[in-house]
This record gives sequence, C-alpha cells and structure tokens, in this order.
Amino acid sequence: GAGVSQSPSNKVTEKGKDVELRCDPISGHTALYWYRQSLGQGLEFLIYFQGNSAPDKSGLPSDRFSAERTGGSVSTLTIQRTQQEDSAVYLCASSLGSLTGYNSPLHFGNGTRLTVT
Amino acid sequence: AQKITQTQPGMFVQEKEAVTLDCTYDTSDPSYGLFWYKQPSSGEMIFLIYQGSYDQQNATEGRYSLNFQKARKSANLVISASQLGDSAMYFCAMTPSRAGSYQLTFGKGTKLSVIP
Repeated sequence: GAGVSQSPSNKVTEKGKDVELRCDPISGHTALYWYRQSLGQGLEFLIYFQGNSAPDKSGLPSDRFSAERTGGSVSTLTIQRTQQEDSAVYLCASSLGSLTGYNSPLHFGNGTRLTVT
Repeated sequence: AQKITQTQPGMFVQEKEAVTLDCTYDTSDPSYGLFWYKQPSSGEMIFLIYQGSYDQQNATEGRYSLNFQKARKSANLVISASQLGDSAMYFCAMTPSRAGSYQLTFGKGTKLSVIP
C-alpha cells in the first residue's frame, strides 16, 4: 500500500519567506509526527498529533513554527520568516497508535529538504 | 528523559562479513522499547527491528539481530552477511513503554559502508 507521502521533496527559499511542508500519512494511521534532521545529526522531535487530541508542540523550536492536521489526515508544517538555521530535512512519520512498539513502529516519508538562502 | 548514544560515527565492513553497530541508552523508565532504523541515501527511514525491555529473547529479523544487554543498557545491532545495499546510516532509538507514550528519542547515527 501507499506509504507516507511528503511534498515538496526539495524546497529552496529566501531568508524571511514563509514555507509550507505537507505530509500525507498512511491511511488509517491515527498518529502523525514531524521530525527535523540537520546535516549529520539525529532526528529532533518537533510535534505530534494523535486523533482529535490536542497536539504536543513541545518540540517546536520557536513560535515561527506551527503545524496543523486537518480531518485527522493530512498535516502541514509552516515555518514563518525562515532563517538559515532552519535549513534541514523535515521528516514526517505516522503510526497506528500512540504506543510505539513492534506492532506500531513509525513509518517515515522521504522528507522535505529545506534550504534557506 | 531518555538518551541514546551511538559512539561510532562511521564503520566499514567487508561484503559478506558480519558487523555490530553499538548503541547504549539511559532512561529512568522501568519499561521501554528499543528500535533500529536504516536511512539510505534516498533519505527514507526504514524500520528494522524492535526490542522490548521485558522481552526474554533477543529480537531477530532476517539478517538483523539485536544484542540486548539490559544490565549494561546496550542494544547493539548485528548485521550478518553484509550486502552492498546495507550501506546507509543506522539510527538507534527508544521510547518509554507506557500509555500515551509516543516520543522516539534518536541517537546521532552510525554511517555504515560495505566494501565489495
């Protein structure tokens, strides 16, 4: 079946511009995550959505970052007034439930590579 | 809070040989899950194997096995009979195993290069 889909795959933007990154999770997956991966680094948690519950935004690095999930499916991560330090790969993942485990690992998309010039 | 440490930034292995990628962790949670993910150059994170902290046996999935030593807080990944397609970044991750748990904490990864 279809995996997690992210668009665009690459985005180059000028400093100060706003960008929107899109994630389409696997059908039926109630949990959706955004992670950020900077060059040569591990994954940094940004935000988590589970069903209709309030999202956990504790990982968002600043108030320039926001995310929403419409209809419990597609999610959009928005970065306002982009800065050069925002350059990274933004990965979206989904899972069947909130408890990650063997039966519910995270399934990742291919990511969006954001470059801020 | 959890912490994952992967001390090998890069590893080389000859094709068809076995290789062990190290992972140590720190957590105050009594129950937790450990994961390994593979990230090829294409960028996608691929789930490889899972080990629960109370599992009696080490997890195995095909050529992948997890050498879990709870007392040492280590969860090393063993890849047997390495193939050229195994060249990738490998990430160790963990999560507390409790209701509502959802955050995976990742290590910084190990870059594995398989030599023909």
